[in-house]
Amino acid sequence: SQQGEEDPQALSIQEGENATMNCSYKTSINNLQWYRQNSGRGLVHLILIRSNEREKHSGRLRVTLDTSKKSSSLLITASRAADTASYFCALYNFNKFYFGSGTKLNVKP
Amino acid sequence: DVKVTQSSRYLVKRTGEKVFLECVQDMDHENMFWYRQDPGLGLRLIYFSYDVKMKEKGDIPEGYSVSREKKERFSLILESASTNQTSMYLCASSLWPRTTYEQYFGPGTRLTVT
Repeated sequence: SQQGEEDPQALSIQEGENATMNCSYKTSINNLQWYRQNSGRGLVHLILIRSNEREKHSGRLRVTLDTSKKSSSLLITASRAADTASYFCALYNFNKFYFGSGTKLNVKP
Repeated sequence: DVKVTQSSRYLVKRTGEKVFLECVQDMDHENMFWYRQDPGLGLRLIYFSYDVKMKEKGDIPEGYSVSREKKERFSLILESASTNQTSMYLCASSLWPRTTYEQYFGPGTRLTVT
């Protein structure tokens, strides 16, 4: 399968804590992207990391990519209740995107 | 801001009906995509289109067809709806070629086939 696999499937933390989600994959990629989906809504693009990059930051988000291990992680620092959502990694290859089944994050106020 | 709209948020249809799901984007994007999302399976690509009148099969095209007569509009057609097509359907668009390749999603259509 060319899909990414997120881990854990569900994560529950207190507001202010950090949340880490992981994505593993099996094929080569052009880039890897992370998306957020609020309940019952469409996905929103968060951040992209190219295959030749190792780390990327955007606000409270930090993404790492290890192509030798075929894995990526998304770190959300100082989480807020509004971060409660599902998070998906998406692999990009040859104009197609391959999404995993997501990590459901619950941030308790 | 890019806006992707889908014709319905919720839709209930009967088995055997022909169903049309419409998607419109307002940012002149070349690429448009249809996914279905099911619990535990993530998003699976049904069809995508990289130009008007062009289409490519995704991973699960069986039972579906698409139409792209205008650049801004991409329609998903269920020729004869079946209960196993009950799902959340998401449309997306992206600009090509472009270095970011990010996708912009519509709000989704939750289709129930009874």
